[in-house]
Amino acid sequence: SQQGEEDPQALSIQEGENATMNCSYKTSINNLQWYRQNSGRGLVHLILIRSNEREKHSGRLRVTLDTSKKSSSLLITASRAADTASYFCATSNTGFQKLVFGTGTRLLVSP
Amino acid sequence: DTAVSQTPKYLVTQMGNDKSIKCEQNLGHDTMYWYKQDSKKFLKIMFSYNNKELIINETVPNRFSPKSPDKAHLNLHINSLELGDSAVYFCASSQVTRETQYFGPGTRLLVL
Repeated sequence: SQQGEEDPQALSIQEGENATMNCSYKTSINNLQWYRQNSGRGLVHLILIRSNEREKHSGRLRVTLDTSKKSSSLLITASRAADTASYFCATSNTGFQKLVFGTGTRLLVSP
Repeated sequence: DTAVSQTPKYLVTQMGNDKSIKCEQNLGHDTMYWYKQDSKKFLKIMFSYNNKELIINETVPNRFSPKSPDKAHLNLHINSLELGDSAVYFCASSQVTRETQYFGPGTRLLVL
């Protein structure tokens, strides 16, 4: 299966703490994207990092990409209760005209 | 105002029925997608259209037939519904294939 894997499957933290989730994938990629899905809603794009980039920031989000290890991490700093959601990585694989989504990390941020 | 919209939001039906889900995007994007998300939250692509032309057709039963009347619309028709078709179906669009995708709110299909 081309599907990426995310780790951990679930993460529970307190407001103000940082949350880190990881994504591993199997094939060469063009880019890697992170999406958020609130309960009962559609996915929302957070950030895209290209294969020639190593780190990218957007507000409280920091994404790293290590193509040699075929892995990426998403760091959410100073988390808020509103960050409670499932987070998915998605890879755009060389040679395929589609995104392949990971298995997701469920993040719970308690007030 | 809504970028990607889907109707209906909920669909409850009996096995063997035929149903359709409609999707519209007002973003001016060239590419549209259908995804299926199962009860374990696994999200898998089913179909993709670019400028009304089918470019991705994953291993999906031929009971599922997408139709794109124009670039802004991609509908999904399902024949002879089965229990295993119960899932959330998401429509999405993007300006460029493999780049940022914009998702609709999903259609929750329950087959009884």
